[in-house]
Amino acid sequence: EAQVTQNPRYLITVTGKKLTVTCSQNMNHEYMSWYRQDPGLGLRQIYYSMNVEVTDKGDVPEGYKVSRKEKRNFPLILESPSPNQTSLYFCASSLSASSSTDTQYFGPGTRLTVL
Amino acid sequence: DQQVKQNSPSLSVQEGRISILNCDYTNSMFDYFLWYKKYPAEGPTFLISISSIKDKNEDGRFTVFLNKSAKHLSLHIVPSQPGDSAVYFCAASGGLEAGNMLTFGGGTRLMVKP
Repeated sequence: EAQVTQNPRYLITVTGKKLTVTCSQNMNHEYMSWYRQDPGLGLRQIYYSMNVEVTDKGDVPEGYKVSRKEKRNFPLILESPSPNQTSLYFCASSLSASSSTDTQYFGPGTRLTVL
Repeated sequence: DQQVKQNSPSLSVQEGRISILNCDYTNSMFDYFLWYKKYPAEGPTFLISISSIKDKNEDGRFTVFLNKSAKHLSLHIVPSQPGDSAVYFCAASGGLEAGNMLTFGGGTRLMVKP
């Protein structure tokens, strides 16, 4: 089954404790991205990757890191989480990095709470 | 400043009636528009899209209208069903450098009452 998976689905942590949220897709997609969803603000892009070893900042990259060492994986790293990073996070992928008409497929989401 | 706005955070409609969800945008470089549907505890799923060269796209019960001069798009669901109850996000992309980057609106929660 074609899908985007994220782990963990739920995470409660404390300020300053490094964490990683994993994202994997099995569709051989070039493009992957991370979004956060906050009430009234919709989904805002954190980072995106057009292909292996190519990553770039989205609209709200502060406090986050990503890597794209393999095509299928795109982990999101919070080196020192803070309470304002409490949010619902979605990973997404699409076939092509250059076409604006390619559908993005989303993972199920990771709800992160930083105390 | 949000480039894509959904001014109605929620909408309640009776089953069988029409649901109309609205979306406004400010960036004239956007040339492709999408609607995503999101159920609780799931990721958004693609619903329907429209290119800026069209003013209407229809897929079953779902129709998206685009008014480029007004920078406005709307999603019509006819007839509405209880299973349509979800949060709907409009999104926009486009421009030579934008690639596949999507800009989302804040979402509208649709409740369809039986």
